[in-house]
Amino acid sequence: KAGVTQTPRYLIKTRGQQVTLSCSPISGHRSVSWYQQTPGQGLQFLFEYFSETQRNKGNFPGRFSGRQFSNSRSEMNVSTLELGDSALYLCASSLRGGGDTEAFFGQGTRLTVV
Amino acid sequence: GQSLEQPSEVTAVEGAIVQINCTYQTSGFYGLSWYQQHDGGAPTFLSYNALDGLEETGRFSSFLSRSDSYGYLLLQELQMKDSASYFCSTYNFNKFYFGSGTKLNVKP
Repeated sequence: KAGVTQTPRYLIKTRGQQVTLSCSPISGHRSVSWYQQTPGQGLQFLFEYFSETQRNKGNFPGRFSGRQFSNSRSEMNVSTLELGDSALYLCASSLRGGGDTEAFFGQGTRLTVV
Repeated sequence: GQSLEQPSEVTAVEGAIVQINCTYQTSGFYGLSWYQQHDGGAPTFLSYNALDGLEETGRFSSFLSRSDSYGYLLLQELQMKDSASYFCSTYNFNKFYFGSGTKLNVKP
């Protein structure tokens, strides 16, 4: 079966702009979670969606937002981009979410803010 | 707060055994997961320990001691393809937390 698909793979944006990233989970998976990965901070949890509802949220400013559609596809949006937002953004899908289920990660979107 | 501590880098030779430790400080602990990530690749799930003890999956084993707030990932019969970063992770109070990752270098 197809894995988790993230688009686009690479993105260059200018400071102050906004960006939308997309994640298509594995068919049948209802949970999608998002992460930011940087060399300095490592993997940090952004938020988790389950059945179109944001279930959990990490410690990121309100500029970071997301949503999930009825087909479980998810998008995350970052507004008013800052240089520090340059990172690899990963999404992961799982059947029911939570920490005791296997999560499958996408290849990520590499965002560069200039 | 929540924190997970791992060594930043470990080097071992092909065929050897290596142990990657993870100590955590957290409340509401539900279990410890391990992920592998090759350079430029996506993290892949390796194992999950909810209870104390050893979980074995092929060449990889993971151990948890809740009383010591400690776990480790054991890799046996190391192969060159095991060169990657390894992350421990917990899920507490509806949030995911990750260690900073251990870069494993396997040498011939």
